[in-house]
Amino acid sequence: GNSVTQMEGPVTLSEEAFLTINCTYTATGYPSLFWYVQYPGEGLQLLLKATKADDKGSNKGFEATYRKETTSFHLEKGSVQVSDSAVYFCALRRWSGGFKTIFGAGTRLFVKA
Amino acid sequence: GAVVSQHPSRVICKSGTSVKIECRSLDFQATTMFWYRQFPKQSLMLMATSNEGSKATYEQGVEKDKFLINHASLTLSTLTVTSAHPEDSSFYICSARGTSGDEQYFGPGTRLTVT
Repeated sequence: GNSVTQMEGPVTLSEEAFLTINCTYTATGYPSLFWYVQYPGEGLQLLLKATKADDKGSNKGFEATYRKETTSFHLEKGSVQVSDSAVYFCALRRWSGGFKTIFGAGTRLFVKA
Repeated sequence: GAVVSQHPSRVICKSGTSVKIECRSLDFQATTMFWYRQFPKQSLMLMATSNEGSKATYEQGVEKDKFLINHASLTLSTLTVTSAHPEDSSFYICSARGTSGDEQYFGPGTRLTVT
């Protein structure tokens, strides 16, 4: 079946540290891959996406590359800020009688000043 | 950007009663809406998909008679939890997809507590 596995949190970093949140997936075919971010009290927002192998999604200093050979889509940022504190969800989307989005469990990030 | 609202944000109800959660797309027409359930420290689990004017499609294991979904207009979908029990306590999130593209926009969620 289709599934997404991401690293368990919480992840606590100091401001300006390097961030990696690992995400691997299992899927048949060629899904699109996404990272969503959820700030406290708000809904999920699309952070970035990639629709085919070797695509790199980027936004707000975050990046992730669609790696088909390792079935991974790790999220990275070179220098985190306190405002990046949130929960990050990795997700895949594929057609299965309609578009279905499957989410990972989410990783909470705390950034300390 | 596209905004999806949910109401209420929190609700507490007694066991055996029913509660309705509204999901609205505020600045776009949502041809498809999705309802998710999220348990603490777990991922969002898709409960059902609804297209405007037609019956919802429920995921395996989701009781359609317990979780009634209505998508009567292009801007409103409702989820009614009927005869709620404490195990229905959860965070319910709706998502909407517009007529163009396949982006999903998410509401802020509704925390349901059944006592």
